[in-house]
Amino acid sequence: ILNVEQSPQSLHVQEGDSTNFTCSFPSSNFYALHWYRWETAKSPEALFVMTLNGDEKKKGRISATLNTKEGYSYLYIKGSQPEDSATYLCASGGSNYKLTFGKGTLLTVNP
Amino acid sequence: EAQVTQNPRYLITVTGKKLTVTCSQNMNHEYMSWYRQDPGLGLRQIYYSMNVEVTDKGDVPEGYKVSRKEKRNFPLILESPSPNQTSLYFCASSLRASGRAGSYEQYFGPGTRLTVT
Repeated sequence: ILNVEQSPQSLHVQEGDSTNFTCSFPSSNFYALHWYRWETAKSPEALFVMTLNGDEKKKGRISATLNTKEGYSYLYIKGSQPEDSATYLCASGGSNYKLTFGKGTLLTVNP
Repeated sequence: EAQVTQNPRYLITVTGKKLTVTCSQNMNHEYMSWYRQDPGLGLRQIYYSMNVEVTDKGDVPEGYKVSRKEKRNFPLILESPSPNQTSLYFCASSLRASGRAGSYEQYFGPGTRLTVT
């Protein structure tokens, strides 16, 4: 994988559902994986930064895991709420000091 | 309040008229970066700066210039804007660049929506 890829592109869930989405990234020269939450008409805000294989991070109902050997990260949202509606971006940082972003997963939570 | 500010927030200009978008952060961050956001393409890095007087090209640097004379400021310069530079631009900063020493979350400015006619 040369680019950072996110799936699905978009997702509609009902309030109360739990959901997850995937970020795939190049496993060579990997240093870090970032997750950002981007609400419409606002700026992206950091959720997690993970560096070690097997890392798991949690913030409230949102959690993330990291597998650097196979090059993927999962973001989980438990009991989705309408205010969770946003685009979720992941970004991979390598040895070149750059951060490469995926195209995002647009989550819509219906009340 | 810790923040990244950008000015202007909205700009409509004509082809060839030089413009500068300012970016300033008050968090004493070493690393600063410019991105553009286009539908279906995601955030793409234009230029980044590891520290004062140290800048480097990102993935889409053509048609842009930057400078980092002071730690807090990182202006984006379009010497001769063209319609394909119509986009939403974000400035971001982090404590340091991601690398062997660790990785740091980026703080984004509010964005500048640029239209070049």
